Amino acid sequence: GQNIDQPTEMTATEGAIVQINCTYQTSGFNGLFWYQQHAGEAPTFLSYNVLDGLEEKGRFSSFLSRSKGYSYLLLKELQMKDSASYLCAAFSGGYNKLIFGAGTRLAVHP
Amino acid sequence: DTAVSQTPKYLVTQMGNDKSIKCEQNLGHDTMYWYKQDSKKFLKIMFSYNNKELIINETVPNRFSPKSPDKAHLNLHINSLELGDSAVYFCASSLRGGRVNEQYFGPGTRLTVT
Repeated sequence: GQNIDQPTEMTATEGAIVQINCTYQTSGFNGLFWYQQHAGEAPTFLSYNVLDGLEEKGRFSSFLSRSKGYSYLLLKELQMKDSASYLCAAFSGGYNKLIFGAGTRLAVHP
Repeated sequence: DTAVSQTPKYLVTQMGNDKSIKCEQNLGHDTMYWYKQDSKKFLKIMFSYNNKELIINETVPNRFSPKSPDKAHLNLHINSLELGDSAVYFCASSLRGGRVNEQYFGPGTRLTVT
């Protein structure tokens, strides 16, 4: 079956670090994406991991462990504008098919 | 310049009507998608076309019919609209075979069926 799990909601303080976890079970797994979606807007690409390890891109980093079916998104130096939903998505099969999790709503407080 | 555009942005209609949503991308991508995001914000793939060929057709009522006149356009026609069709519909595109296969999303069409 196909299953993506991530926490529904998280809160954090401006300037802090937050880690959003994601576990997945998908057939034909070939990479893990993270998208950011602000309320009322389209999802926008944040990161992509296909090999085990950490990918760093500015304040955002993403980690993947294929053997554990686990990924996390790490957000550093949180800003108010980081308040959004963060969608974990597994890339499955040979058809560019993304299986999305339900998203984690992150609220950043002053 | 808009990369992936959709029209209309908002659509309010009554049950039983037929409506269409249009999508266009100017990124030179060869693959386009329709997603449905329901009230719980769960984003689910409906259809995908690669070079005008249907390659993904998830379990979607046959009242929904996609059409791709060329690889830059993907439209979605919905017949006999039902209350449960109310959602935000996102179009997306990507370049198949690219290193990352990143999908670019349109701004969404918020459909409300009354």
